[in-house]
Amino acid sequence: GDSVTQMEGPVTLSEEAFLTINCTYTATGYPSLFWYVQYPGEGLQLLLKATKADDKGSNKGFEATYRKETTSFHLEKGSVQVSDSAVYFCALSESGGYNKLIFGAGTRLAVHP
Amino acid sequence: EAGVTQFPSHSVIEKGQTVTLRCDPISGHDNLYWYRRVMGKEIKFLLHFVKESKQDESGMPNNRFLAERTGGTYSTLKVQPAELEDSGVYFCASSQRPGATALFFGSGTQLSVL
Repeated sequence: GDSVTQMEGPVTLSEEAFLTINCTYTATGYPSLFWYVQYPGEGLQLLLKATKADDKGSNKGFEATYRKETTSFHLEKGSVQVSDSAVYFCALSESGGYNKLIFGAGTRLAVHP
Repeated sequence: EAGVTQFPSHSVIEKGQTVTLRCDPISGHDNLYWYRRVMGKEIKFLLHFVKESKQDESGMPNNRFLAERTGGTYSTLKVQPAELEDSGVYFCASSQRPGATALFFGSGTQLSVL
């Protein structure tokens, strides 16, 4: 079945450092890909998405490109802030599916001043 | 506009007891979903309601779990009897349309079964 694998955390960075969180997927068809973020004490929020190959999703300085050839959707940010500390989840939605999201295990990011 | 509300935010019960989780979706959202994250692992789909009907309950782990959405408004998820492996965070989400970009999540209920 479909699955998502993302790098284990925690990832600890200093403020202004470059961030990469790797995400790869296995899926039949043409899924949509997502990054969700959970800040402390809050619910999951959609961070960005891409619905087809070579699409780049971006939001709040974060970017991820849908790479079908490598089945990847790595999350990047050029300069992280303390406020980016959160748990990040990569997810896919099967094409034509009713929001049945398949998530990775989550990666905790801690950014220190 | 209020978001998706879940309560309780935390619940601690003993093995064998019953617990009921509640989710209030955003008003007007016909689609309601339950997900859970166990032991810090991946978040897994449990089921999907469209109004009061179960569209997909393929993720429900066993018959100790019962989800209802009477009247198509709020939903409850009952675990009876609870087992240790049921501990985790239970998330509810809602959407107006099936498109995943319109999925709104609640803060979750942290369930601890001792």
